[in-house]
Amino acid sequence: GAVVSQHPSWVICKSGTSVKIECRSLDFQATTMFWYRQFPKQSLMLMATSNEGSKATYEQGVEKDKFLINHASLTLSTLTVTSAHPEDSSFYICSAGQGQAFFGQGTRLTVV
Amino acid sequence: GIQVEQSPPDLILQEGANSTLRCNFSDSVNNLQWFHQNPWGQLINLFYIPSGTKQNGRLSATTVATERYSLLYISSSQTTDSGVYFCAGSQAGTALIFGKGTTLSVSS
Repeated sequence: GAVVSQHPSWVICKSGTSVKIECRSLDFQATTMFWYRQFPKQSLMLMATSNEGSKATYEQGVEKDKFLINHASLTLSTLTVTSAHPEDSSFYICSAGQGQAFFGQGTRLTVV
Repeated sequence: GIQVEQSPPDLILQEGANSTLRCNFSDSVNNLQWFHQNPWGQLINLFYIPSGTKQNGRLSATTVATERYSLLYISSSQTTDSGVYFCAGSQAGTALIFGKGTTLSVSS
């Protein structure tokens, strides 16, 4: 099947700093990618839809100025958590694919 | 948007037992997948099954698209089957929406 690679797998950052997470489709082109967030013991919640060459679409309640999404090429979408706070600590995971969705490995973000 | 209901929320089994997990959708979906999330958070795709029946070893899944539900069967469960199972569905061109998951604990 298709492969989606996410980097980094885990990151610890200081409160107030920014963190960038990359999501790459390795063997297919993805005009659309999706970003999810998962808090402990909860399900995956869709944060935003990343569209190549255009603005991302954010789900209700997700701050677009805090979670910056850039989809500059057909194989790469990035999520930048700006001015991170401890409450942003979570598991972030991306997906891509037409029909069947393929997921990255996820990024565990801890803000201290 | 689509609502996804999973049941049961928790399941405790003895090794060797069989189990059935269920997923109901509030609307028709074009895509439907079952996942097992490992302790490191990685989503392991079990089945892509918008309709019909598929089997993979001790696991099988059936989706009745006209009635908007899907079932995941685990036979002869093993301790390594423990974890969280998610189903998720989407309509064409949209993101998968996840259920709340079933936490399975298999004891020896």
